[in-house]
Amino acid sequence: EPEVTQTPSHQVTQMGQEVILRCVPISNHLYFYWYRQILGQKVEFLVSFYNNEISEKSEIFDDQFSVERPDGSNFTLKIRSTKLEDSAMYFCASSSSPPRSYNEQFFGPGTRLTVL
Amino acid sequence: AQSVTQPDIHITVSEGASLELRCNYSYGATPYLFWYVQSPGQGLQLLLKYFSGDTLVQGIKGFEAEFKRSQSSFNLRKPSVHWSDAAEYFCAVGAGDSWGKLQFGAGTQVVVTP
Repeated sequence: EPEVTQTPSHQVTQMGQEVILRCVPISNHLYFYWYRQILGQKVEFLVSFYNNEISEKSEIFDDQFSVERPDGSNFTLKIRSTKLEDSAMYFCASSSSPPRSYNEQFFGPGTRLTVL
Repeated sequence: AQSVTQPDIHITVSEGASLELRCNYSYGATPYLFWYVQSPGQGLQLLLKYFSGDTLVQGIKGFEAEFKRSQSSFNLRKPSVHWSDAAEYFCAVGAGDSWGKLQFGAGTQVVVTP
């Protein structure tokens, strides 16, 4: 069964460093998402992406964050200068249909980011 | 603004017993509602979803959920719990005017005892 994969599973970085979280969505999916979950808090939407453009972003997704689909398979989330409060589990998701059709979003296992 | 509340942070249930997880939402229009499950080390897996129609929705792994507009609820149920159902369960709502933004509840951790 096709699945969303994410690498690395755990990333430890120093405050102020750049990190890139990688995701490989399901191959025929066209709509991509990032969510995050700070320990003990809710899963929060960060950004949605379609046709090489951001479709929607939350207030969390400030100038420190960027997303990219560098090739036909990967979808990345970059944090330019990490802060302690960026420590969280980051989930990638993808779907095959436009969001308004509310087809399922398939989630990856997450990358745990720890900022020291 | 829309919101999702899962009142129970943690539930312990005996294997074979029934399970009900509560979810309340706040949203002006008809919401799109989802239940996801997360097992340790795994991603979020969709159990079931409600868009419209029959208010009793059947999902995978023997789960069902009932949409009650009058109570703004979408509670998840399973008649007989298995040890493998131990996981964290998330209720989520999608806004009809949003590009797929899901808003999640805080989650309910389910522990299954022998």
